[in-house]
Amino acid sequence: DQQVKQNSPSLSVQEGRISILNCDYTNSMFDYFLWYKKYPAEGPTFLISISSIKDKNEDGRFTVFLNKSAKHLSLHIVPSQPGDSAVYFCAASPNYGGSQGNLIFGKGTKLSVKP
Amino acid sequence: DSGVTQTPKHLITATGQRVTLRCSPRSGDLSVYWYQQSLDQGLQFLIQYYNGEERAKGNILERFSAQQFPDLHSELNLSSLELGDSALYFCASSVAEGPGLYNSPLHFGNGTRLTVT
Repeated sequence: DQQVKQNSPSLSVQEGRISILNCDYTNSMFDYFLWYKKYPAEGPTFLISISSIKDKNEDGRFTVFLNKSAKHLSLHIVPSQPGDSAVYFCAASPNYGGSQGNLIFGKGTKLSVKP
Repeated sequence: DSGVTQTPKHLITATGQRVTLRCSPRSGDLSVYWYQQSLDQGLQFLIQYYNGEERAKGNILERFSAQQFPDLHSELNLSSLELGDSALYFCASSVAEGPGLYNSPLHFGNGTRLTVT
């Protein structure tokens, strides 16, 4: 039973346009959400995170939006660059009454940014 | 460079054998996590240690074990290896006891690719 779902295995975007990557979750105990980027033959690299007390967090070209009522988060990349081509993983961490859980990952979305 | 070091990068071994994967966390990080990524699978959490003590356990097989040493490096031991154990094994570290505590993201090493033949 997947608690974190990335329903689009792949996404292709033109350079300079916006990339929107989506993620849905089922566990209402999740209170910290992260996006990771992964290039082939490397480990996942932390990109941006958001706490459940916020609905938006921005870092340069990257913005994460959180909609708690819909249990949905998205990552916007504007403008997209060819170097952004990678697999993007959404991850979430539950808070069990103060006992911090580990990160649970989605299966990833492969982003291709075409010049 | 995340600052997390994993050795070896590649490991090829036969079924029934035992291997040890090693991880050095980022300087100052007290938590170490182990994840497995098989073909077509996402990252599956195996086990977490915080300052030498086991903190959380995921889908870790009984044939697998881990420990974190006083210098905070960690080892993942895989024994009685089967073909299905072939995967990428990632180590990650963070400063806090859990990722949600003080919004402490995990930082990953580049993984050890294990091939069981």
